[in-house]
Amino acid sequence: DVKVTQSSRYLVKRTGEKVFLECVQDMDHENMFWYRQDPGLGLRLIYFSYDVKMKEKGDIPEGYSVSREKKERFSLILESASTNQTSMYLCASSLGWDGDSNQPQHFGDGTRLSIL
Amino acid sequence: AQSVTQLDSHVSVSEGTPVLLRCNYSSSYSPSLFWYVQHPNKGLQLLLKYTSAATLVKGINGFEAEFKKSETSFHLTKPSAHMSDAAEYFCVVGAYGQNFVFGPGTRLSVLP
Repeated sequence: DVKVTQSSRYLVKRTGEKVFLECVQDMDHENMFWYRQDPGLGLRLIYFSYDVKMKEKGDIPEGYSVSREKKERFSLILESASTNQTSMYLCASSLGWDGDSNQPQHFGDGTRLSIL
Repeated sequence: AQSVTQLDSHVSVSEGTPVLLRCNYSSSYSPSLFWYVQHPNKGLQLLLKYTSAATLVKGINGFEAEFKKSETSFHLTKPSAHMSDAAEYFCVVGAYGQNFVFGPGTRLSVLP
């Protein structure tokens, strides 16, 4: 079974802090994704990566950056946290990157981040 | 462009009665369609997927969905609800070269 592990389930940070969210997958997937989930909005794609050191912006990249130095690890960085970044963050991995790949995404359990 | 509409934000059923969660999509491409389930404080788990094979798709835990191109719908059904089905359900559309687009979710409550 694919396992996607997010380092923290709950995190509380202060406005202006630099915040790191970590995600590790154990199935050698090329593609990894970061989403944020807000009530009534579903999941929105922040960034994805299709290979080591490669990244692509998703729908809402502003205020975020990512890092993928190793295939199994994908980090989301909030450069200067703001209260509107309080949300649930979900990491996913997949063999394919797009909706026609016939490969579903496998999700971690999420990090609930609060910015005070 | 692609979009997904989940017509009900909340559905409530009694245990043992049928479940219907509605999803309509819009896509300029030949779509792939998915249903995911999310239990409280958990990530999303794939229930089933449609990728242009059979229009009636069977998934895990007794769920199934029917792709109707003429109605641009992909509704999720289950003949008999169980208490453990209480969760949030997401309809997702994807296509070649396009990112996945998630619907806003439908929260399913199952009453004893």
